[in-house]
Amino acid sequence: DVQMTQSPSYLAASPGESVSISCKASKSISNNLAWYQEKPGKANKLLIHSGSTLQSGTPSRFSGSGSGTDFTLTIRSLESEDFAVYYCQQYNEYPLTFGSGTKLEIK
Amino acid sequence: EVQLVESGGGLVQPGRSLKLSCAASGFTFSDYNMAWVRQAPTKGLEWVASISYGGSNTHYGDSVKGRFTISRDNAKSTLYLQMDSLRSEDTATYYCARHGRWRGIRARDWFAYWGQGTLVTVSS
Repeated sequence: DVQMTQSPSYLAASPGESVSISCKASKSISNNLAWYQEKPGKANKLLIHSGSTLQSGTPSRFSGSGSGTDFTLTIRSLESEDFAVYYCQQYNEYPLTFGSGTKLEIK
Repeated sequence: EVQLVESGGGLVQPGRSLKLSCAASGFTFSDYNMAWVRQAPTKGLEWVASISYGGSNTHYGDSVKGRFTISRDNAKSTLYLQMDSLRSEDTATYYCARHGRWRGIRARDWFAYWGQGTLVTVSS
């Protein structure tokens, strides 16, 4: 199975700041990686797929980069609605696997 | 607007069975692969199973293989998960999700839409 190692597990930042979340795959997954946002009481939201393609409706302050084994989600100029939990997911092979999540909190 | 509404969760004893349903609307259900993803309390996300848009191909996570069965009724725009021989470690919120690609080959891509989930608790 492809193990997805996400870091950090916890991140505190202030509105207006920029943050990055790392996701490392245990073997190459090409660009077959997605990022999701989880918020209490709301359905999970797809932000990015194919490593760097923004899903329709995802604000442009979100960006994804990387290929192979190393990937990064960057959020520029944090807004209040961005404080949430973020997960990466690989779909290069079965079983589909997720990172352990990063909780982004307001500092 | 895409909507996925899960139902059928509840409290069930170990070893018993439960069947979840997911009613889909806002898109042509028969054109998309579908999946179940679960999240145990205070834990991360775990993919459970996926099914191709026509229903002929299914894939399962190792932890549920042989116990769970994913199926769909395209005429009713409904996805199902039959869960047998339930264990305490199956306790989780179960999410219905739509895969991203239109008529995607191999049902192996991202999850474009998610439901809000239904809680399954396995306990005596």
